[in-house]
Amino acid sequence: DIQMTQSPSTLSTSVGDRVTITCRASQTISSWLAWYQQKPGRAPKLLINKASSLQSGVPSRFSGSGSGTEFTLTISSLQPEDFATYYCQQYNTYPYTFGQGTQLEIK
Amino acid sequence: QVTLRESGPALVKPTQTLTLTCTFSGFSLSTSGMCVSWIRQPPGKALEWLARIDWDDDKYYSTSLETRLTISKDTSKNQVILTMTNMDPVDTGTYFCARYTGVGALDYWGQGTLVTVSS
Repeated sequence: DIQMTQSPSTLSTSVGDRVTITCRASQTISSWLAWYQQKPGRAPKLLINKASSLQSGVPSRFSGSGSGTEFTLTISSLQPEDFATYYCQQYNTYPYTFGQGTQLEIK
Repeated sequence: QVTLRESGPALVKPTQTLTLTCTFSGFSLSTSGMCVSWIRQPPGKALEWLARIDWDDDKYYSTSLETRLTISKDTSKNQVILTMTNMDPVDTGTYFCARYTGVGALDYWGQGTLVTVSS
């Protein structure tokens, strides 16, 4: 199975900050990577697919980049509603696998 | 408008078989490229991908759970069913179904259903 490793696991940050989350795959996945946002008690929400394609309705402060084994999710200016847990997922090879998550906390 | 909703027992006993149903609307699983996946999440832990069924009835499973999982579909009812045998307390968690469209990843999710495994 492909292992997905996110860093950091937790990030203490403030409104207005620029935030970058990294996701590394244990083998190449081309650009078949998605990013999801999950708030407590809610289902995950797709933010970005194919590494850098913003899902319809997602604010433009979210962006994704990378290919192969290294990927990043960037939030250009953190808003109060962005405090949540973020997951990456590869969908290049079965079984599809998720990262362990990155929780954004209020500093 | 695409919606998915999971249903099934909230409580199962160890060794029992869990059957979950995902009822969806707004798309058809007979349409080329459409797929439905199951994902679970233990309390306070990360998401875990379980299985996927495609419009052409191809099926894919988690490596660690494939001997316990069966996914099937009833296209006429717009439903996808997941069974998991030999349930254990470590299987406690929220189970989600989600639509998958290839390039688009898991673009629509159900709200999830909490399953507790306890005697």
